[in-house]
Amino acid sequence: EPEVTQTPSHQVTQMGQEVILRCVPISNHLYFYWYRQILGQKVEFLVSFYNNEISEKSEIFDDQFSVERPDGSNFTLKIRSTKLEDSAMYFCASTPWGDEKLFFGSGTQLSVL
Amino acid sequence: DQQVKQNSPSLSVQEGRISILNCDYTNSMFDYFLWYKKYPAEGPTFLISISSIKDKNEDGRFTVFLNKSAKHLSLHIVPSQPGDSAVYFCAASYSGGGADGLTFGKGTHLIIQP
Repeated sequence: EPEVTQTPSHQVTQMGQEVILRCVPISNHLYFYWYRQILGQKVEFLVSFYNNEISEKSEIFDDQFSVERPDGSNFTLKIRSTKLEDSAMYFCASTPWGDEKLFFGSGTQLSVL
Repeated sequence: DQQVKQNSPSLSVQEGRISILNCDYTNSMFDYFLWYKKYPAEGPTFLISISSIKDKNEDGRFTVFLNKSAKHLSLHIVPSQPGDSAVYFCAASYSGGGADGLTFGKGTHLIIQP
């Protein structure tokens, strides 16, 4: 069964460093998303991406964040200068039609020290 | 702001019994509701959904009930099985919002005891 793949599964970085989280969405899906979950908190929407551009972003997704689809398969989230409060599980998701039935990857646990 | 609330962080149920997971919402614009299930080290997976035009939706052992006047929904699992042990997230959306407008609760950890 096709699945969303995320790498790495764990990422430890120093505050102020740049990190890139990688995702390979399901191949025939057209809509891509990043969500995050801070420990003990709800899963929060960060950004959606369709037709090679951001279609929606939340207040969390400030200038420190960017997304890119550098080729036909990868979808990346970059955090330019990480802060302690960026520590969270980051989930990539995709859907064929932009509906709410998301297909999630297994997540990248980001720890900022 | 918690627009979707799951007030029970955990729930323990004996195998074979009914599991009832609850969810409350505050935003009256929400009209589509979903439950996701998450195992450790995996991402959430879609389980079942319900539109606000219905008050019940059933899929095998899983049934979701919606009470719009109370802004409350619940997920019933009958009978509960060991493989049902997971974190269950309630999520809500509104017309035209798609996944962009999806708001999740904090989750309830369901533990099925043998």
